[in-house]
Amino acid sequence: DGGITQSPKYLFRKEGQNVTLSCEQNLNHDAMYWYRQDPGQGLRLIYYSQIVNDFQKGDIAEGYSVSREKKESFPLTVTSAQKNPTAFYLCASSTGDHRNTIYFGEGSWLTVV
Amino acid sequence: GNSVTQMEGPVTLSEEAFLTINCTYTATGYPSLFWYVQYPGEGLQLLLKATKADDKGSNKGFEATYRKETTSFHLEKGSVQVSDSAVYFCALRLPYGGSQGNLIFGKGTKLSVKP
Repeated sequence: DGGITQSPKYLFRKEGQNVTLSCEQNLNHDAMYWYRQDPGQGLRLIYYSQIVNDFQKGDIAEGYSVSREKKESFPLTVTSAQKNPTAFYLCASSTGDHRNTIYFGEGSWLTVV
Repeated sequence: GNSVTQMEGPVTLSEEAFLTINCTYTATGYPSLFWYVQYPGEGLQLLLKATKADDKGSNKGFEATYRKETTSFHLEKGSVQVSDSAVYFCALRLPYGGSQGNLIFGKGTKLSVKP
């Protein structure tokens, strides 16, 4: 089936650790996105990539890093510099035209323990 | 700046009641407008969209019309079901700008439908 696969679904991080969230899509989309969701705040953009080997910071990029080495993959690393990383993380992808839908994965829950 | 404002929740309705969730936007240019739905613990699913003024998006009994004159995209359903209980997000997508087509979201409206 076509779609966006995020893993793991649940992840626990100790203080001072880096963790990486995986996002893979088989929709042949050029653009990929990472959003963070906190209760009552909607979704906020962390990073986005319009093409392989290029990515841009979103509204809340501090403490996060990404790579885009393959069209299908856009992993997100939550570094120890991110002071409040407990949240629900959503990966998404789309073609570039603004009239087209941005599709979302099922999300990953990250909890700091 | 560009933004989306939607009515605060939570909204609680009885089954078969009429639903309206208000959404207004501020944007430069001509955005596309979307409604997404999120069920507990899941990602977002597209509910409907409209890409130009006066377009009506519809799906699963939900409707919304792109009103440029009032900068609105209100979501409506004539008869809600318990299975419609979810969080609903209004969003816009711009054709240009530094965010390069990224979605700008409202804060979401939680709907609970009681049997």
